[in-house]
Amino acid sequence: NAGVTQTPKFRVLKTGQSMTLLCAQDMNHEYMYWYRQDPGMGLRLIHYSVGEGTTAKGEVPDGYNVSRLKKQNFLLGLESAAPSQTSVYFCASETGGANVLTFGAGSRLTVL
Amino acid sequence: GDSVTQMEGPVTLSEEAFLTINCTYTATGYPSLFWYVQYPGEGLQLLLKATKADDKGSNKGFEATYRKETTSFHLEKGSVQVSDSAVYFCALSLSGGYNKLIFGAGTRLAVHP
Repeated sequence: NAGVTQTPKFRVLKTGQSMTLLCAQDMNHEYMYWYRQDPGMGLRLIHYSVGEGTTAKGEVPDGYNVSRLKKQNFLLGLESAAPSQTSVYFCASETGGANVLTFGAGSRLTVL
Repeated sequence: GDSVTQMEGPVTLSEEAFLTINCTYTATGYPSLFWYVQYPGEGLQLLLKATKADDKGSNKGFEATYRKETTSFHLEKGSVQVSDSAVYFCALSLSGGYNKLIFGAGTRLAVHP
């Protein structure tokens, strides 16, 4: 019973490099989310998706792109990483309307 | 705008002590309220929720009551255990086309034997 799986768990980038975080869920959930967690600021929504092929901006979308080509996967991309994007990133999913999110274990990204 | 404010941590308690973590909110309309918990090295998981005023959410000995008059949703537990050590997040959910959760900053709880 995997739930929500995020890869990679850790990554160190240099300023200007690009990378993609992968989120995979096996619960057939419609809605998926990407959050970032920073000290003293809680979790902030980056982008979300309400179904396969759809994406929308959250609270802090600048510098990130996402894709939801398959229902079970939600990718978060950084085209040109900046030190301000150093954070812990969490993916979450839900069925939609249940008001209960299932979170992955997080991906810690450091941008030097 | 809509927001959630939690008491700053860390909160340090001895085992079997009484726990209160304060949470207040600002929101237009009538939000649902949640407490999520994050154990070390893990993602967040739902602890309890309440969807309307005066509702009490409860789980694993934790309780919180939705107080509309004071816009609060304080988390309580009568006797904490070492295994309760974690970061606790208060959150609200606005009505709309999707479940947009707004989180507080989190409160770290450390329980010592």
